[in-house]
Amino acid sequence: DIQLTQSPSFLSASVGDSVAITCRASQAVRGFLAWYQHKPGKAPELLIYAASILRSGVPSRFSGLRSGTQFTLTINNLQPEDFATYYCLQLNEYPYTFGQGTKLQIK
Amino acid sequence: QVQLQESGPGLLKASDTLSLTCSVSGGSVRSSSYYWTWIRQSPGKGLEWIGEIYYSGSTNYNPSLQGRVTMSVDTSKNHFTLKLTAVTAADTALYFCARVAMDEMLYIDYWGQGTPVTVSS
Repeated sequence: DIQLTQSPSFLSASVGDSVAITCRASQAVRGFLAWYQHKPGKAPELLIYAASILRSGVPSRFSGLRSGTQFTLTINNLQPEDFATYYCLQLNEYPYTFGQGTKLQIK
Repeated sequence: QVQLQESGPGLLKASDTLSLTCSVSGGSVRSSSYYWTWIRQSPGKGLEWIGEIYYSGSTNYNPSLQGRVTMSVDTSKNHFTLKLTAVTAADTALYFCARVAMDEMLYIDYWGQGTPVTVSS
């Protein structure tokens, strides 16, 4: 199975800050990587797909970047509603696998 | 707006069969553009992809659960189902259904809120 190593596991930041979350794949996943935001009791929401394509309706302060097997989700100008848990997901091969998650907390 | 809603018993005993249904609204399970998938989240293992089904009935399952999992789709009711046999405490988790979009890329574009399942011994 492809392992996705996501870091950091926890992140504390303030409103207005910029943060970066990294997801490193154990082997090539090409561009088949997506990022999700999850808040307790709610459905996870797609932010980025194909490594860097912003889903329609998602604020432009979210962005994704790919460099080989390393993927980065950057959130600029953090807003109160951005404090949540973030996951990466690879769909390059079966079984699909997820990163362990990054919990973004208010400092 | 596509919505998915999981339903099923929340409490099972070890060795039971887990049966969950995902009802889809705002979209059709008959569409050739999507797979329909199940994912679970447990404290010990994080998010785990269980498998997926196409409207034709074609399936792909996670090998870690192969032999215990069966998925089906009912186009007349616009829902799809998950069956997991011989459950143990390790199957206690929050179970999500979701839609996998297939265009030039693959991605899960809509999820349900999840339904908790507890397996007691």
